[in-house]
Amino acid sequence: SQQGEEDPQALSIQEGENATMNCSYKTSINNLQWYRQNSGRGLVHLILIRSNEREKHSGRLRVTLDTSKKSSSLLITASRAADTASYFCATDSPNRDDKIIFGKGTRLHILP
Amino acid sequence: EAQVTQNPRYLITVTGKKLTVTCSQNMNHEYMSWYRQDPGLGLRQIYYSMNVEVTDKGDVPEGYKVSRKEKRNFPLILESPSPNQTSLYFCASSFFGNLNTEAFFGQGTRLTVV
Repeated sequence: SQQGEEDPQALSIQEGENATMNCSYKTSINNLQWYRQNSGRGLVHLILIRSNEREKHSGRLRVTLDTSKKSSSLLITASRAADTASYFCATDSPNRDDKIIFGKGTRLHILP
Repeated sequence: EAQVTQNPRYLITVTGKKLTVTCSQNMNHEYMSWYRQDPGLGLRQIYYSMNVEVTDKGDVPEGYKVSRKEKRNFPLILESPSPNQTSLYFCASSFFGNLNTEAFFGQGTRLTVV
């Protein structure tokens, strides 16, 4: 079952520009998290946002959550080469069990 | 150092030969889970465990077994591996399930079944 879907699938931008990626989900959630994965390595947690929160910041990262539209966005400002990675959103299971559902990810490539 | 350790990192095996991928965490986390990652499909949860002796199926449990006899360990067992189980596998742990806390991931196990 697919709960979260990232958009776009791939994104290439110039270093220094801002990168925005989106995650849409189908049923109501309690929590949503964003993760980063460098090529073939383990995922690294970026931000957790709860359903009663609308926006959270962490350094150059800004995450928003719109529960009415069932969507979240991840903004990376002033991108750097080191931001080149895949980014995933993770959501609660729509079945209200304890499963965790990951999207297919957005591949971000920062061009020098 | 807080970490999730998977072994082996790379494994090539033959169809039908039982194998175990180990996972251990040193953070006293209650929730542990296994994922497989395939191109174009993202991460899919195989099994998860809320605590010792409590395990549940994820989205793709067929062909896999797990056990949680101790809090720190959560091995993934492939009783009779098949080529369609060739994949990149990740173990993860967190204090709680339901995405209430951040998950820590192992470095991955790249499995090839020939």
